[in-house]
Amino acid sequence: KQEVTQIPAALSVPEGENLVLNCSFTDSAIYNLQWFRQDPGKGLTSLLLIQSSQREQTSGRLNASLDKSSGRSTLYIAASQPGDSATYLCAALNTGTASKLTFGTGTRLQVTL
Amino acid sequence: EAQVTQNPRYLITVTGKKLTVTCSQNMNHEYMSWYRQDPGLGLRQIYYSMNVEVTDKGDVPEGYKVSRKEKRNFPLILESPSPNQTSLYFCASRGHPSSYNSPLHFGNGTRLTVT
Repeated sequence: KQEVTQIPAALSVPEGENLVLNCSFTDSAIYNLQWFRQDPGKGLTSLLLIQSSQREQTSGRLNASLDKSSGRSTLYIAASQPGDSATYLCAALNTGTASKLTFGTGTRLQVTL
Repeated sequence: EAQVTQNPRYLITVTGKKLTVTCSQNMNHEYMSWYRQDPGLGLRQIYYSMNVEVTDKGDVPEGYKVSRKEKRNFPLILESPSPNQTSLYFCASRGHPSSYNSPLHFGNGTRLTVT
């Protein structure tokens, strides 16, 4: 059974810092690894999706990497801004259960002025 | 605008009173799913549907029912709600069920409180 872990659970950084959020998973038989953003009282917004054959994906100031062999993914946020404050969740889509994403419990990020 | 719409956003009810949370998507997606989100437990799948009239259980289906009579709608039904179903519920959709590398689109959530 897939287990997805995100560390740390919460993170506070000053504006302008570069930061890395970590995601680890136990089963490497995945179609993809997805990163989402969740704002308070809102749904989840898809940020980046890395297919199993890919090593990384980039969108603006965000870069996500995937290392299937070690069961790890990272989300790199460059030049953080207060508007980046949110909870970030990663999720793995397993090849055996393609109907379901397995989510981590998220990292709550606060970017301070 | 492409979106997944859930209603209501907030719902307070009493134990045993049947309720339905609606979910509708305007993207002609075949795959739809319901999740609940609880502190410390993350998101867990309740039910999913690969297409019209095709539904199946997720990880935590007990106490819930779903139906998929039309492609765009996927309501979640609680026949006899209990306090342990107090949670934040999300509906999500994706294109074809085998479009594994398409992102999942989420609704804004329904916060349910059962007293």
